[in-house]
Amino acid sequence: EVQLVESGEGLVQPGSSMKLSCVASGFTFSNYGMNWIRQAPKKGLEWIALIYYDSSSKYYADSVKGRFTISRDNSKNTLYLEMNSLRSEDTAMYYCAKSTVPDYWGQGVMVTVSS
Amino acid sequence: DIQMTQSPASLSASLEEIVTITCQASQDIGNWLSWYQQKPGKSPQLLIYGATSLADGVPSRFSGSRSGTQYSLKISRLQVEDIGIYYCLQAYSAPYTFGAGTKLELK
Repeated sequence: EVQLVESGEGLVQPGSSMKLSCVASGFTFSNYGMNWIRQAPKKGLEWIALIYYDSSSKYYADSVKGRFTISRDNSKNTLYLEMNSLRSEDTAMYYCAKSTVPDYWGQGVMVTVSS
Repeated sequence: DIQMTQSPASLSASLEEIVTITCQASQDIGNWLSWYQQKPGKSPQLLIYGATSLADGVPSRFSGSRSGTQYSLKISRLQVEDIGIYYCLQAYSAPYTFGAGTKLELK
C-alpha cells in the first residue's frame, strides 16, 4: 500500500524559513518523480514543485521560484521542501504526491505564516 | 504557462443524473490531463489519468474524454459518495496547472 506521510507542520512568522518532509513507503521511491502541491484555506489546488526520480531535474511554480527548494534522499525514501522568505500568501495545506503525474497524495500538513 | 479553464464552477445534480465537467486547455497538452476528486477535509484522489484512463479502484461510472484541447469528466449515474470538488490538472509541461475546480452538490 502506497503511503506518503508529511511532517513539519507549524506556525511561522513572515520572512522566516521552514522545511517539510514526506516519508514514502509501499513503492520503490527511487523510481518515481515527486511533487509538492498546496491548497490555501478554502481555495483550489496549486502545484508548486516537481523533482525527477534521480533529482536530475526540478521545476517550480513562479510563485515559489527562488524561495522554495525541492529535494529528495532516495536512501531515506524522503522528499523535502525547504521554504525560505515565507509570506502570508504561503499559508496553505501542503501535500506531497507520488509520480510525475500525481497519483497518490499524502494527508497534507498545514503551514501558517502569520505575525 | 498553460491555462486550464474549468467549468462549471459549481453544479447541483440529482442522484442517478449524468454529470459532465469540462476543462479547456490554452494550448495542446496531448493526453496529459488528469482528474481528481476532493472530499471535505480529505486529500485529492486520482480518478482519471491520460485523459481517458480510469485509475485503480475508481468506479466505472466515471469516464474521461478528449476533443482537441477540451477535456471532459463524466459521471454516468451520480451517487451520494460522488459529492465533492473536482479538479483537472495538466501535466504536459511545468509549471503544471490545475483548473479552478467544480463543486458538485446534490439537488
